[in-house]
Amino acid sequence: ETGVTQTPRHLVMGMTNKKSLKCEQHLGHNAMYWYKQSAKKPLELMFVYNFKEQTENNSVPSRFSPECPNSSHLFLHLHTLQPEDSALYLCASSHGSGTAGELFFGEGSRLTVL
Amino acid sequence: GENVEQHPSTLSVQEGDSAVIKCTYSDSASNYFPWYKQELGKGPQLIIDIRSNVGEKKDQRIAVTLNKTAKHFSLHITETQPEDSAVYFCAAPYSGGYQKVTFGTGTKLQVIP
Repeated sequence: ETGVTQTPRHLVMGMTNKKSLKCEQHLGHNAMYWYKQSAKKPLELMFVYNFKEQTENNSVPSRFSPECPNSSHLFLHLHTLQPEDSALYLCASSHGSGTAGELFFGEGSRLTVL
Repeated sequence: GENVEQHPSTLSVQEGDSAVIKCTYSDSASNYFPWYKQELGKGPQLIIDIRSNVGEKKDQRIAVTLNKTAKHFSLHITETQPEDSAVYFCAAPYSGGYQKVTFGTGTKLQVIP
């Protein structure tokens, strides 16, 4: 149990579907992140939220739409995805104290786009 | 931004031997260097980290060394055990945004019993 819970663990969707990934952290952290992990590629930062405000968008296509209603919850809304978007999507949280520190990752949502 | 290179991509060692994984980074202002372990079906988990004001840090069988002049840092695992088998990632934050952490490409470590 890492304190960061992601649902669903597995998702298969067509290119015209709309789905959402959910992340919840029980650690009292103020920063939350979405990372994409593809085979044979480094973890790619997608979005960062601090105190519910988006502070980083790492040039992510608009078919990925994040939402952070509060410091404990983070969503990634997906629509009209492409097969190359198939990957493991990892949510993470951190203290957000103003200095670099440990990231606490969830177990990820494995997405397959058909 | 930060560019992090990690070597080797795969590493096989006999149980009880040592394993060393090396990373180089490009941003000379980076000041925090974590190492993460990712087991199959799980998210990465921090195993050790080092800040730029020290050159070495140890935690039982795991150690990290940092050479700021050469801009590289290494993970050392001694007396390896089968449960050390996993993918290991180094990382470094971009000085222009401390939360923009760049990860290495990963090292798949296999410890052979």
